[in-house]
Amino acid sequence: DAMVIQNPRYQVTQFGKPVTLSCSQTLNHNVMYWYQQKSSQAPKLLFHYYDKDFNNEADTPDNFQSRRPNTSFCFLDIRSPGLGDAAMYLCATSGGTVFSTEAFFGQGTRLTVV
Amino acid sequence: QQPVQSPQAVILREGEDAVINCSSSKALYSVHWYRQKHGEAPVFLMILLKGGEQKGHEKISASFNEKKQQSSLYLTASQLSYSGTYFCGTRDTGNQFYFGTGTSLTVIP
Repeated sequence: DAMVIQNPRYQVTQFGKPVTLSCSQTLNHNVMYWYQQKSSQAPKLLFHYYDKDFNNEADTPDNFQSRRPNTSFCFLDIRSPGLGDAAMYLCATSGGTVFSTEAFFGQGTRLTVV
Repeated sequence: QQPVQSPQAVILREGEDAVINCSSSKALYSVHWYRQKHGEAPVFLMILLKGGEQKGHEKISASFNEKKQQSSLYLTASQLSYSGTYFCGTRDTGNQFYFGTGTSLTVIP
């Protein structure tokens, strides 16, 4: 059974049109992460939550926002997508404290900007 | 701050061994290893904590030398299913986490 679920798997959005990606988990983990992965590159951490405590990586553009309304759900909002934001977006969860245990990844949402 | 992995790519025949190295410029608290197959999500292999730990996972094991800020992943008697891109992930003592540059591993019959 899928434990970290991302919807949709594929998303096409227009340049400049706001888009929201969603992630849900059945693991009841405290920590949730959002990563951006471009073709042939490593995943790059955008932000993470420990419960409701939010941590934004220093080099994450302001164009990217996140919400975590409860333990199970987390959203990534891209306010004005540019062509450079086309990528795979990966959500992950972990138990314990941040980066202390294995991360469970969702299947990702591949975002295309046209 | 992104750790550097070597080699960038390696091709093995089934049954051969491989070593993937991960080197950081920062003092590390832990090293994580993941494998990602094309078009799929990364899958966790193991975590090593500072203390010179070595861990094993069937025919895949790893070591962590905190003084040298390096970790190595050892794959023995490789199988076709080992193909994929291997990433180390380093958590430094400032609690920053970065995935490494990646190593593409292809196992052929």
